[in-house]
Amino acid sequence: EVQLVQSGAEMKKPGESLKISCKGSGNTFTNYWIGWVRQMPGKGLEWMGIVYVVDSDTRYSPSFEGQVTISVDKSISTAYLQWSSLKASDTAVYFCARLGYYEILTGNPPVPQYYYYLDVWGEGTTVTVS
Amino acid sequence: DIQVTQSPSSLSASVGDGVTITCRASRNIGRSLNWYQQKPGKAPKVLIYAASTLQSGVPSRFSGSGSGTDFTLTISSLQPEDFAIYYCQQSYNTPSITFGQGTRLEIK
Repeated sequence: EVQLVQSGAEMKKPGESLKISCKGSGNTFTNYWIGWVRQMPGKGLEWMGIVYVVDSDTRYSPSFEGQVTISVDKSISTAYLQWSSLKASDTAVYFCARLGYYEILTGNPPVPQYYYYLDVWGEGTTVTVS
Repeated sequence: DIQVTQSPSSLSASVGDGVTITCRASRNIGRSLNWYQQKPGKAPKVLIYAASTLQSGVPSRFSGSGSGTDFTLTISSLQPEDFAIYYCQQSYNTPSITFGQGTRLEIK
């Protein structure tokens, strides 16, 4: 079964560092991008950034650039999200998710077109900073 | 950045009703629009991708339509398990992704 398993809940103090993880099983990770999504208490989903497992190419949402570090260790099928100095405003649930894709052939000659979506999600890691 | 704006932000309906949620993109995104459902304490789950393709296992009462800048999610006959929060998400300039603000669907 394809799944992403996240590390457990964390309770930290402001100024502390933290690294949470997201481990893929089965064929979850091969040739995929793995992204991170923040959900603050009672709020919506916010895209943080994403890492390509094959070469560790990482992209950040402008809102999170410089605030967090996203990384991956493909040898153990694990992606990470880390903070060097937590703030109370980092209190949230953090989800990892795989960026899957749907390929269709269009045109003549047929050319592949890809549609991307978050098809596998971790269960979420609750981070409380207080 | 491409912005996506969902409406309404909340909606009350009864079991058996049909409902529609809309999502508007700030520019033409073709069909690169996905819909997710989130229940309390759970991770989101994809319902519709590429604007109108139903994810495997999702009931056929869910449908999506639209292209360009305007998209809709329709639930044809609400079931008790459908009361949740729904998000649209654009993936036109993947890996840069944006979510809509969410629509809370409540029981009337």
